[in-house]
Amino acid sequence: GENVEQHPSTLSVQEGDSAVIKCTYSDSASNYFPWYKQELGKRPQLIIDIRSNVGEKKDQRIAVTLNKTAKHFSLHITETQPEDSAVYFCAATPRGAGGTSYGKLTFGQGTILTVHP
Amino acid sequence: DTGVSQDPRHKITKRGQNVTFRCDPISEHNRLYWYRQTLGQGPEFLTYFQNEAQLEKSRLLSDRFSAERPKGSFSTLEIQRTEQGDSAMYLCASSLEIVWSSSYNEQFFGPGTRLTVL
Repeated sequence: GENVEQHPSTLSVQEGDSAVIKCTYSDSASNYFPWYKQELGKRPQLIIDIRSNVGEKKDQRIAVTLNKTAKHFSLHITETQPEDSAVYFCAATPRGAGGTSYGKLTFGQGTILTVHP
Repeated sequence: DTGVSQDPRHKITKRGQNVTFRCDPISEHNRLYWYRQTLGQGPEFLTYFQNEAQLEKSRLLSDRFSAERPKGSFSTLEIQRTEQGDSAMYLCASSLEIVWSSSYNEQFFGPGTRLTVL
């Protein structure tokens, strides 16, 4: 089955700096890679995702890059703000058989991001 | 609130007791997932349904765990003879599956049920 490794486990930056979180996956059949943000005591929420036919995707201050050959993908947050402080999870999943969309997500262990004002 | 809801939000039980959790997905969503999250870890997949059919179960789901989605709407997760190792946050998520769609469908998570087994 799929295994996702995420690094670093904690990341501390000053407001305005950039933050980068990296994930590697094991299953070459994985082709959808979402990133979730989870604030303390709250539910995980999708912040950005990328498919395997795309190398990079950007949404304002957030970007995700994917290297399928190396089986790794990264989250980049620029101009960090204190409200970016949260736990970030990467995940991976393959497309299902018979044209179905993906099923289960395999998550990384999470990165605690702290942005200091 | 049209998001995914879960009930109860917190459950404290004694070892050996049975517990049942409920998840109400977003109304038009045909897929429903259960995950378990322990402190400092990412969510771990337990099982998922498409409509009322249970399509996959994780090896994590021992025979003490059972999940149902009888009418393809809400789902229940029951844990029998609870053990201290069952203490965790149980998350439910839902999504809309469109067969042969080129889009990947976001899984929306509920707030979770935090289980503490004493």
